[in-house]
Amino acid sequence: SAVISQKPSRDICQRGTSLTIQCQVDSQVTMMFWYRQQPGQSLTLIATANQGSEATYESGFVIDKFPISRPNLTFSTLTVSNMSPEDSSIYLCSVEARGTNEKLFFGSGTQLSVL
Amino acid sequence: SQKIEQNSEALNIQEGKTATLTCNYTNYSPAYLQWYRQDPGRGPVFLLLIRENEKEKRKERLKVTFDTTLKQSLFHITASQPADSATYLCAPTSGGYNKLIFGAGTRLAVHP
Repeated sequence: SAVISQKPSRDICQRGTSLTIQCQVDSQVTMMFWYRQQPGQSLTLIATANQGSEATYESGFVIDKFPISRPNLTFSTLTVSNMSPEDSSIYLCSVEARGTNEKLFFGSGTQLSVL
Repeated sequence: SQKIEQNSEALNIQEGKTATLTCNYTNYSPAYLQWYRQDPGRGPVFLLLIRENEKEKRKERLKVTFDTTLKQSLFHITASQPADSATYLCAPTSGGYNKLIFGAGTRLAVHP
C-alpha cells in the first residue's frame, strides 16, 4: 500500500490568485495522477505527473492553468492558477504503487473554495 | 464518447440486507473494472478489480460481476451494516497505464 499526505486539506482563496497543492508519498511510485472532483460529480483526471519531464494533460486541461511539478518519485505539486469560482472543487492526488496490480491509492484531497 | 452511468439516487436499505449497485458503460470495451469506496471528506479507497475474462469476484462480504455483453457491472454487499454507508464509484478501464475514468458514484445508506 501507499500512504499519501496532501496539503492543504482545504483553503479559501480570492479570485485571480493561485494555490499550490502538495502531494507526498511514503514510498517511491512510478505513476502519480491529479484528479478534480466537482460537487456531485465524478472524478476527472487532470494530468499525469511524470518524474523528470513535463506532465501529460487530459483534454480540457492546460499547463498554464494547472502547472505540475514532479521533482522525484515521492513528491508532486499541482498549482491552480488565476483562480475563478469555477475552480472551486476537491483536488485529489493519486498514485499507482509498485506491485499493486493497477489499483490506485488516493490522498484525502484538497477542498478549494474560490470567492 | 465514453460514458459511465451509476444510479444518481441514493440507495437506502435496512441493515442485514444485500445492497446491489449498478455500473453501466457505453462506447468502449474496458479490459477491467474497479470499484472504490469514498467517504465524505476522504479520497476513494480501492475495493475490488475484475477483469473482462472474469464473470465474478468476491472479497469477504463483497461480490462484483462483470457482463461484457450487457456492458454492466453489479456490486453487491451482503449482510450490509451501517458502516457500509458511503459513496461507491466504478471505474471501467480500457487498459494501458492506469488512467482511470470514474462514474459519478452511488451513495449507499444502510439504516439500523
